[in-house]
Amino acid sequence: EDQVTQSPEALRLQEGESSSLNCSYTVSGLRGLFWYRQDPGKGPEFLFTLYSAGEEKEKERLKATLTKKESFLHITAPKPEDSATYLCAVQEGRGTGNQFYFGTGTSLTVIP
Amino acid sequence: DAGVTQSPTHLIKTRGQHVTLRCSPISGHKSVSWYQQVLGQGPQFIFQYYEKEERGRGNFPDRFSARQFPNYSSELNVNALLLGDSALYLCASSQDRFEKLFFGSGTQLSVL
Repeated sequence: EDQVTQSPEALRLQEGESSSLNCSYTVSGLRGLFWYRQDPGKGPEFLFTLYSAGEEKEKERLKATLTKKESFLHITAPKPEDSATYLCAVQEGRGTGNQFYFGTGTSLTVIP
Repeated sequence: DAGVTQSPTHLIKTRGQHVTLRCSPISGHKSVSWYQQVLGQGPQFIFQYYEKEERGRGNFPDRFSARQFPNYSSELNVNALLLGDSALYLCASSQDRFEKLFFGSGTQLSVL
């Protein structure tokens, strides 16, 4: 079953047009929720970790929030260099390993 | 400091062949994980190694194997290649088993 669902699949924004990306998850005991950015042909780049509902993290134009069922990545006044695929991943709080379950990502294009 | 390094960056093989992919983690990181990313999808967990022991295995056939060396570098081996094995193979390292992952740029494997 899908454990991480991201929406929308693709998003086109004008430069300066703020929006939000959604990540909904179903895991039995969340250890952590992670946001990554991935540029074409590159590996994912770590952005944020969120551990508990109500937690928020910010970095430049990005702000991540977490509830018990979903996380949002808010992008304020985006620039063309923010264009990338944004991946959400969850880590279950059980077992001895460190398996991350990734969503399929949201492809963001910011138009000048 | 050097990030996670993977080699080779690109590889072309034919069906039935064997391939070995290599990964050097960030200095001081003891855990290495391998992920497979098919175009348009999120990364899928293959293996995690910590302190040279396998700590987790994803839903991949026995054709996939890996190991971690005393210097914490790692190899991923895939036998009897199939067309469906064509993907970007990502290596990630972390300080501990449960910490956030730092990814390399990946090895793009094409099976013809």
